[in-house]
Amino acid sequence: AQSVSQHNHHVILSEAASLELGCNYSYGGTVNLFWYVQYPGQHLQLLLKYFSGDPLVKGIKGFEAEFIKSKFSFNLRKPSVQWSDTAEYFCAVSDQTGANNLFFGTGTRLTVIP
Amino acid sequence: GAGVSQTPSNKVTEKGKYVELRCDPISGHTALYWYRQSLGQGPEFLIYFQGTGAADDSGLPNDRFFAVRPEGSVSTLKIQRTERGDSAVYLCASSLAPGQGAGNGYTFGSGTRLTVV
Repeated sequence: AQSVSQHNHHVILSEAASLELGCNYSYGGTVNLFWYVQYPGQHLQLLLKYFSGDPLVKGIKGFEAEFIKSKFSFNLRKPSVQWSDTAEYFCAVSDQTGANNLFFGTGTRLTVIP
Repeated sequence: GAGVSQTPSNKVTEKGKYVELRCDPISGHTALYWYRQSLGQGPEFLIYFQGTGAADDSGLPNDRFFAVRPEGSVSTLKIQRTERGDSAVYLCASSLAPGQGAGNGYTFGSGTRLTVV
């Protein structure tokens, strides 16, 4: 079975600091990878996704993620965070063979201090 | 509507009662998914509909949980004999089609927070 690990439970940063949130998955096959964000009081929104091709993926709001197949990782990065990035971030993985489940990590809460 | 609508946004019920949670997907989205998010956890898959039929219900935890989508649009998640452990946020998502694996083109609703007391 697939699993997703997000090692950082809560990250606190000052504005303009750089961000890297870790995500590792466990699955032997070909996967699709996602980062979702949930702003306070809002629904889950897609930040970025990787299906194939360039392992460095650019998303919305200046976020990017790098797929490193050998490390089973898909870490999320942003060079300079803003107060408005305060949210919960979820890494997720699905199976490219057509399975219907999206497996989520437990989430990382990011607090950006102005 | 513009997004996935879930009602009610909050539901408090007594242990043992029956509840229904509603999801109104984006118009034209044939695929519909239910997830459950317990406190401190990520969402967990419950059931997937393609059209009117439940194509995959492998995530339903037990036979107290049931979902329908009789006309291929609105879906209702039904929980019988609720237990305190059912307390969670129930999320609905829809997409145009399953596509290249789950997660492709999902739009999530804001969820229904269910509290069983």
